[in-house]
Amino acid sequence: NAGVTQTPKFQVLKTGQSMTLQCAQDMNHEYMSWYRQDPGMGLRLIHYSVGAGITDQGEVPNGYNVSRSTTEDFPLRLLSAAPSQTSVYFCASTRQGANGYTFGSGTRLTVV
Amino acid sequence: GDSVTQMKGPVTLSEEAFLTINCTYTATGYPSLFWYVQYPGEGLQLLLKATKADDKGSNKGFEATYRKETTSFHLEKGSVQVSDSAVYFCALNYGQNFVFGPGTRLSVLP
Repeated sequence: NAGVTQTPKFQVLKTGQSMTLQCAQDMNHEYMSWYRQDPGMGLRLIHYSVGAGITDQGEVPNGYNVSRSTTEDFPLRLLSAAPSQTSVYFCASTRQGANGYTFGSGTRLTVV
Repeated sequence: GDSVTQMKGPVTLSEEAFLTINCTYTATGYPSLFWYVQYPGEGLQLLLKATKADDKGSNKGFEATYRKETTSFHLEKGSVQVSDSAVYFCALNYGQNFVFGPGTRLSVLP
């Protein structure tokens, strides 16, 4: 059981470039989310999905897009990278909120 | 809206000391409560949880009790080890809404 798998682990982008952070889970979890973690800011919710075909915005959605075509995958797209998007990104999933989240190991993104 | 407040860190303790990290919450309903731990360079791992009032969650020597009357879920451990050095996050879930506290960094010195 792999859990939540995020790729890549590290990425350096130039300002204006686009890229996709991948997230996949093999636990048949309906609920998936993307967070960013910045020093002193804790975790901030970017986007979330309650099932295939359904996505919604979180606290800090600007500059990011998501889609959920399958239960397993929930990619996060950076449309035009900016230095303010330098952060560690975590994907998380759960079948039911009361069970708690399972987190991926994170993607450390640097935008120069 | 729902929120979680944690004591500001960092918390620095000597090995075998007693640990308390305070957590209080504000929620419109009756949420489930969690403690997560993040070791350096890793993702968050679920440490323990409680889903209703007076429940006690426990794991790896850590424990926390869901106190509805004080809206608190304080994390405790009787004797910390150097390997417990990490960042600890208190969190709540109500429906599809997850809210995380800002995290408390714990450093345990040998």
